[in-house]
Amino acid sequence: DAGVIQSPRHEVTEMGQEVTLRCKPISGHDYLFWYRQTMMRGLELLIYFNNNVPIDDSGMPEDRFSAKMPNASFSTLKIQPSEPRDSAVYFCASSSDSKAQFFGPGTRLTVL
Amino acid sequence: QQQVKQSPQSLIVQKGGIPIINCAYENTAFDYFPWYQQFPGKGPALLIAIRPDVSEKKEGRFTISFNKSAKQFSLHIMDSQPGDSATYFCAASIGKIKAAGNKLTFGGGTRVLVKP
Repeated sequence: DAGVIQSPRHEVTEMGQEVTLRCKPISGHDYLFWYRQTMMRGLELLIYFNNNVPIDDSGMPEDRFSAKMPNASFSTLKIQPSEPRDSAVYFCASSSDSKAQFFGPGTRLTVL
Repeated sequence: QQQVKQSPQSLIVQKGGIPIINCAYENTAFDYFPWYQQFPGKGPALLIAIRPDVSEKKEGRFTISFNKSAKQFSLHIMDSQPGDSATYFCAASIGKIKAAGNKLTFGGGTRVLVKP
């Protein structure tokens, strides 16, 4: 199994630009999670899906952030417009009923 | 009540030493307690997990001790090696409530450095 796949691995953009992060979960997993990791705030859950349906988006910082899961094998996290304070590493993770979450390699986002 | 408090923030030990990381929680509905290991530039990886019906679980050199009455659990790394140098996160989730899904509440992380 290839594990959770994220793209791009690194993204550098300018303030105000739209950023789209992509995730392919492990095949057969029905939960998908988006996290943000910073030195100051640690690992924060932004949103998670079950069977492609958003279950809890209480961690989404503000309306500039949106996430979609159009099918079982693909999810996106979009930031529009981006701001320097959005600079962080964004992780996608997936799990099944076993509860263990498997994380992708992350996308390091830098907003200038 | 959803918090998981982790200590210490960082730890330095000599090779062969036993770093111990502690976590405490408040929500008695938590019933799954995993530990994740994260190397620089990588995503967290599941290391070992425990449920509250057992007091200890070992996998290789990693041991979780669980104290249900105190609402605390800890990770011990036996015979630590320089390759164990990483950041370790404890976490907890609620399994009995379907709506909670597999949502994990993470501790703040402990950076462990094992000196050769």
